[in-house]
Amino acid sequence: EVQLLESGGGLVQPGGSLRVSCAASGFTFSNYAMSWVRQAPGKGLEWVSAISGSGSTTYYADSVKGRFTISRDNSKNTLYLQMHSLRAEDTALYHCAKGGLGLVAAALDFWGQGTLVTVSS
Amino acid sequence: DIQMTQSPSSLSASVGDRVTIICQASHDISNYLNWYHQKPGKAPKLLINDASNLETGVPSRFSGYGSGTDFTLTISTLQPEDIGTYYCQQYDNVPWTFGQGTKVEIK
Repeated sequence: EVQLLESGGGLVQPGGSLRVSCAASGFTFSNYAMSWVRQAPGKGLEWVSAISGSGSTTYYADSVKGRFTISRDNSKNTLYLQMHSLRAEDTALYHCAKGGLGLVAAALDFWGQGTLVTVSS
Repeated sequence: DIQMTQSPSSLSASVGDRVTIICQASHDISNYLNWYHQKPGKAPKLLINDASNLETGVPSRFSGYGSGTDFTLTISTLQPEDIGTYYCQQYDNVPWTFGQGTKVEIK
């Protein structure tokens, strides 16, 4: 059974940093691309970033480019999102999502429940 | 960026009704279009990939159609468990973008 468990969210001041994690199980993690998708309170879905199975290819939304870094540790079956220079508009529930087999561009076929990041003073 | 526009933003229908949601892309995205369903307080669930391929385990009352810029998601016979918000998403070009969502309620 596929499981994705996010952690690391919390309250952070504007300009601060935070790293959220996603522990994966139930599939061969290194074979699949992964993404982060966020959802501001009461709002819709916004894709944030994606990474290939090997970690060699990454993509970012313009709204986070230069501030966020996606990475993965395939030996630990864990996906990360390092966030710097956080802004109030980054406040959201951050979901990790499983992507394509061997393809970064593919449907997100399983999502975690998310970890809440709140940026406020 | 490719803009995805869904209509309607919300709808209320009776159990057993046929429901159709429209998704329009600002540029040709071929069939690189997915549909997701999010129940209140839950994570999104993939329903349809590549515009018309039903995910394993998704009831056959759901169907998707379209290519290029115009797409539809149809629920042939609305059930109580179908409430929630439906999102289309394109993955033809980075940044991948979602529609604003269509909230479905039972009348």
